[in-house]
Amino acid sequence: EAQVTQNPRYLITVTGKKLTVTCSQNMNHEYMSWYRQDPGLGLRQIYYSMNVEVTDKGDVPEGYKVSRKEKRNFPLILESPSPNQTSLYFCASSSGQGRVGTEAFFGQGTRLTVV
Amino acid sequence: KNEVEQSPQNLTAQEGEFITINCSYSVGISALHWLQQHPGGGIVSLFMLSSGKKKHGRLIATINIQEKHSSLHITASHPRDSAVYICAVRWGYGGSQGNLIFGKGTKLSVKP
Repeated sequence: EAQVTQNPRYLITVTGKKLTVTCSQNMNHEYMSWYRQDPGLGLRQIYYSMNVEVTDKGDVPEGYKVSRKEKRNFPLILESPSPNQTSLYFCASSSGQGRVGTEAFFGQGTRLTVV
Repeated sequence: KNEVEQSPQNLTAQEGEFITINCSYSVGISALHWLQQHPGGGIVSLFMLSSGKKKHGRLIATINIQEKHSSLHITASHPRDSAVYICAVRWGYGGSQGNLIFGKGTKLSVKP
């Protein structure tokens, strides 16, 4: 089954304690992205990756890091989480096939609370 | 920068009603997505359009490239259609194809 898997689904952590949210896709997609969703602001892009070892900042990259060492995995790293990073996070992947690419597949979401 | 506007923000309908959600964007795009987000939070892709019209069951999506406008229609609405519907545009080609810009969503509630 084609899917994007995020872990964990829920996470409560303390300010400053490094954490990683994992994302893995089984569709051999080139494009992977991380988004955060906040009430009233909608979904905003944090980082995206066009392929292995190719990443770029989105609209709200401050406080986050990513890496793309393998095509299937795109972890999101918070080196020193702060309360303003409390949010619902989504990973998504898509293919660059053809002129306009393919539909996007989303992970189940990770609800992060930083206290 | 591409702006994506959805209307209405909130919509309440009676079961069986025909529903339309609108999406407008400001610059040329390569594709437009309609997404559905249920109260549990998960996001599912409903359609991806670059021109014309697509239909899947009771859902119909249309796009007018010249007017920079898309609509999502739900025929014979049902309480299980209650969700947030999100429009997203992909405005790049080639290397920036992976970028999506999202509208703020339309919260639909269908009453029995």
